Amino acid sequence: GESVGLHLPTLSVQEGDNSIINCAYSNSASDYFIWYKQESGKGPQFIIDIRSNMDKRQGQRVTVLLNKTVKHLSLQIAATQPGDSAVYFCAENFAGNQFYFGTGTSLTVIP
Amino acid sequence: DAMVIQNPRYQVTQFGKPVTLSCSQTLNHNVMYWYQQKSSQAPKLLFHYYDKDFNNEADTPDNFQSRRPNTSFCFLDIRSPGLGDAAMYLCATSRGRRTLNTEAFFGQGTRLTVV
Repeated sequence: GESVGLHLPTLSVQEGDNSIINCAYSNSASDYFIWYKQESGKGPQFIIDIRSNMDKRQGQRVTVLLNKTVKHLSLQIAATQPGDSAVYFCAENFAGNQFYFGTGTSLTVIP
Repeated sequence: DAMVIQNPRYQVTQFGKPVTLSCSQTLNHNVMYWYQQKSSQAPKLLFHYYDKDFNNEADTPDNFQSRRPNTSFCFLDIRSPGLGDAAMYLCATSRGRRTLNTEAFFGQGTRLTVV
């Protein structure tokens, strides 16, 4: 069977609270970043993206912040709902067409 | 409608017996990717195609091969599956950097079990 996996960082929040998920990326040359949501047994689903010429981008209930100085991304989810429970990954892209994923965070929303 | 389709959703194969996983896309995207994802880990890029140009990741084992016969289809071949190859295999597509780069769209994955 599969090898034992690493334990993902976890975050538990109350329904209705705001969530902040963080990600450190690896390559200072990365110029395009994406946040993905992955529910159990499914493929990653696009949430929001940001290019390196921006510091902040807002979507519906989600905001992504980019700090290139410290190579850090965050995803803020407003008024978190039970349907937001999933694993969240950031992905970075530089030079070629490859997307490389960060470690991921498991979000649990408590009703 | 599904835009990146992976078949089958679940695949059981015997140790050492070659297996092929399939992916098709209706997006007409230039780039197709294969990722391996093990339990509680991030997807790990194995390789990708830009059109017919194959790009292997440096740490992808030789046991993993890929074919892209046309724009719509891409296959992952595992020549001699070991127990450590049991994982979820994800296919994805994107337009690529030569056009306006956008996100990668993922299929639902194929869960591979090796017995």
